[in-house]
Amino acid sequence: EDQVTQSPEALRLQEGESSSLNCSYTVSGLRGLFWYRQDPGKGPEFLFTLYSAGEEKEKERLKATLTKKESFLHITAPKPEDSATYLCAVQAGREMDSNYQLIWGAGTKLIIKP
Amino acid sequence: GAVVSQHPSWVICKSGTSVKIECRSLDFQATTMFWYRQFPKQSLMLMATSNEGSKATYEQGVEKDKFLINHASLTLSTLTVTSAHPEDSSFYICSARPLGGRVIYEQFFGPGTRLTVL
Repeated sequence: EDQVTQSPEALRLQEGESSSLNCSYTVSGLRGLFWYRQDPGKGPEFLFTLYSAGEEKEKERLKATLTKKESFLHITAPKPEDSATYLCAVQAGREMDSNYQLIWGAGTKLIIKP
Repeated sequence: GAVVSQHPSWVICKSGTSVKIECRSLDFQATTMFWYRQFPKQSLMLMATSNEGSKATYEQGVEKDKFLINHASLTLSTLTVTSAHPEDSSFYICSARPLGGRVIYEQFFGPGTRLTVL
C-alpha cells in the first residue's frame, strides 16, 4: 500500500537553529514528491517538486533533497516567520483515472521561537 | 502565477441549509480540480476529483448526493454542501492542476473556506 510518513510530528527550534524535516515514502513508482507549507487557516502553499533520487531544490532558507526512500526539508537559520506546518505529498506511478491524485503525509508542525 | 481563489472564505449557516463554495483558477486553466476537507490538526483528506465537463469522482465514504460538485469550465469548480449538518463543519480547500505547463503534476491550492453549521 502506498504510504507517506512525516517526522517529527512537531519540531520546536530557536531562531537560527538549523534542522531537517523528514518525509519517508513507500510507493509503487515515484512520479514526483511535493513539499507544501501551510499556515493556520490557509490553504497549502507550494514549495518544491522533486522527481528523482539525488535531486535538490533550494528556496531562501529551505532546501529539499530526495533519495529513493525519503525526502528531507532542510531549514537553515530559521526565522519565526518560517513557523508553519510543512506537508509532503507523493504522486505514485499508478494513474488513477489520470487524475494524478496525491498521497499526503500528516505534516510536521514547525515552531521557531525568537 | 498559478493563483487559485475560493469564495467565500468563511460561511456560517443553519442546519438543513445548502452552501455553495466556488473555486477559481485565476491565471491558468485547470483540467482537474480537487476538493479536500481538513479537520483541526489533521492533514488534508481528498473528497473528490473533478474534471471539466465530466462527473466528479468521489473518494470512498464521501456522499456524492450530499457534496455536489460541478466543474463547468476550465477555471471554475463549485462544491455544494446540501442539507448541511453540524458534522459538516470543517475547512474545505480546493486545488487545481494546470493544463499542460512546465510541471504537469503540481496542484495549486486555494486559501480555503471555513464552514460552520449551527
